[in-house]
Amino acid sequence: AQLVQSGSEVKKPGASVKVSCKASGYTFTDHDINWVRQATGQGLEWMGWMNPKRGNTGYAQRFQGRVTMTRDTSISTAYMELSSLTSEDSAVYYCARATLGDCSGDNCYSYWFDPWGQGTLVTVSS
Amino acid sequence: QSVLTQPPSASGTPGQRVTISCSGSRSNIGTNTVNWYQQLPGTAPKLLIYSSNQRPSGVPERFSGSKSGTSASLAISGLRSEDEAQYYCATWDDSLNGHVVFGGGTKLTVL
Repeated sequence: AQLVQSGSEVKKPGASVKVSCKASGYTFTDHDINWVRQATGQGLEWMGWMNPKRGNTGYAQRFQGRVTMTRDTSISTAYMELSSLTSEDSAVYYCARATLGDCSGDNCYSYWFDPWGQGTLVTVSS
Repeated sequence: QSVLTQPPSASGTPGQRVTISCSGSRSNIGTNTVNWYQQLPGTAPKLLIYSSNQRPSGVPERFSGSKSGTSASLAISGLRSEDEAQYYCATWDDSLNGHVVFGGGTKLTVL
């Protein structure tokens, strides 16, 4: 399994950016795609998930209303669009394939990311 | 401020055993399994441990994970220079309609 992302982007404040993530080596619709970003020198920040089969999504609260995750199943590609960009959105954006595993215990959830895309650097600057 | 708490740094000498802790709460680690990711400088994160204590194929047996209550740990035995990296714990959190949470990361230095 492999995820290959689109190239670096430079955007002005207020603009939008759309990053693509092309999957290969597995059935695209069998696994959620998640998006995670990392500002320079900072930790990992989860943005949301998308189910490629149904197209339904779940977004982190801080990105609600500003992020849209979509897909094109005909080319096994997921997209993440982030709008109203500010300098604080400058970061490397990663897509990752999620797997839902077995888990014992009531309401237990086992959900991990593997593999990850190579990352897409988005720079927001006037 | 990350939902999961990790020490910002850890260190050890070659051959030593090092552990990295990850502390959460009932809605995340207390209910769900924990994953660990290794991030080498300038590269994407890589899955190291999933479901709290499972190693993906290709990950050396030197790496092990455990979970108890609302805390988890990553142990690295027989420390090697190539283990110098950033390590992140992560899990599902049941609050706010469900979401993924990460620890702030631990920078492991091999002295």
